[in-house]
Amino acid sequence: QKEVEQDPGPLSVPEGAIVSLNCTYSNSAFQYFMWYRQYSRKGPELLMYTYSSGNKEDGRFTAQVDKSSKYISLFIRDSQPSDSATYLCAMVYNTNAGKSTFGDGTTLTVKP
Amino acid sequence: DAGITQSPRHKVTETGTPVTLRCHQTENHRYMYWYRQDPGHGLRLIHYSYGVKDTDKGEVSDGYSVSRSKTEDFLLTLESATSSQTSVYFCAISSKGEDTQYFGPGTRLTVL
Repeated sequence: QKEVEQDPGPLSVPEGAIVSLNCTYSNSAFQYFMWYRQYSRKGPELLMYTYSSGNKEDGRFTAQVDKSSKYISLFIRDSQPSDSATYLCAMVYNTNAGKSTFGDGTTLTVKP
Repeated sequence: DAGITQSPRHKVTETGTPVTLRCHQTENHRYMYWYRQDPGHGLRLIHYSYGVKDTDKGEVSDGYSVSRSKTEDFLLTLESATSSQTSVYFCAISSKGEDTQYFGPGTRLTVL
């Protein structure tokens, strides 16, 4: 079993929809949680970073962490065609080296 | 964008030949990572470095070696390339173990 499981997708939504992307994890030692966005043929880029349970908001994006349930989510409000990308969750527990464990990614398409 | 470059960006080689990929950073970050990305597997860590001449294995290190003789350069070598090493390779950097990672543009390697 993988340490990090991500909803596989793909996901296709109309413009303006609310999108929910989800990951679960099995290792309670994970302390830091990130969401990356990756456009086709590009490297991943950081969207959200959090280390505590609860919600963190940045514009149309909200990252949610529930450590008791070992569950993280990324919500996108008023989704736009430019949000079409693959979204990767990532988690870190080894703070001496920052080795991140990534989910497999969810590909999102937002249709105009 | 973080100052990370990868070279070459594309390479086609034959089975059994040695291949070296280069990652160069201008951010003076301590940590550097090599990942491979394959469909259905997300990002998997190959090797990482936590300082000059300090390296360690990731989850898929077999068939790969690395070297870091300067802060700014991290080399990934495939001693004898195999078709299973056809992939997209990403380099990433981080200033602290728990910090976010910044990714390079990737190298697309095809082993025939």
